[in-house]
Amino acid sequence: AQSVTQLDSHVSVSEGTPVLLRCNYSSSYSPSLFWYVQHPNKGLQLLLKYTSAATLVKGINGFEAEFKKSETSFHLTKPSAHMSDAAEYFCVVNSYNFNKFYFGSGTKLNVKP
Amino acid sequence: DTEVTQTPKHLVMGMTNKKSLKCEQHMGHRAMYWYKQKAKKPPELMFVYSYEKLSINESVPSRFSPECPNSSLLNLHLHALQPEDSALYLCASSQVRGGDTQYFGPGTRLTVL
Repeated sequence: AQSVTQLDSHVSVSEGTPVLLRCNYSSSYSPSLFWYVQHPNKGLQLLLKYTSAATLVKGINGFEAEFKKSETSFHLTKPSAHMSDAAEYFCVVNSYNFNKFYFGSGTKLNVKP
Repeated sequence: DTEVTQTPKHLVMGMTNKKSLKCEQHMGHRAMYWYKQKAKKPPELMFVYSYEKLSINESVPSRFSPECPNSSLLNLHLHALQPEDSALYLCASSQVRGGDTQYFGPGTRLTVL
């Protein structure tokens, strides 16, 4: 079975400080993992993905994530938050059923000036 | 080009109306998806088409009727909807292979009166 848990429903940071959004997954098979960002009333934009290559994955807009199999985690980080990063973030897992993607419940990131 | 387009952007309909949502991609993807997203929630999978055949139906009420006329187009026909069906409807596409990325359209904001 596949599932995703995003450990924080809301995260608030000050502009210029680091961002950490936490994601744990459960998968019976080697997973592919994704982070998407969604701004209000918009579609989902891919930030980055892990597909069994390098465990440290770099994405767009300065985001990166590290796949840790022993901890079943795929946390999203950014060294310095920007006001434009304020949005909803979803961690997603895809496994043996290529056509089924499992979404976490989302983390709303608030960036304070 | 990694674009998925959706029309219309907004739709308001009465409970007795019949309307259709449209989705198009030209990335050569052979899997296409409909998701429903309520406010402050992750997207919920409704339907998946793989090679133009319906492969997943997540027990969606029959008032939603999907159609995949060809490999680039996906429609969602709506009839006799309820106010609780008001939501953002997202279309996505991907290749049919493990680890491939889902690309999302901007969504159609549906309001049922």
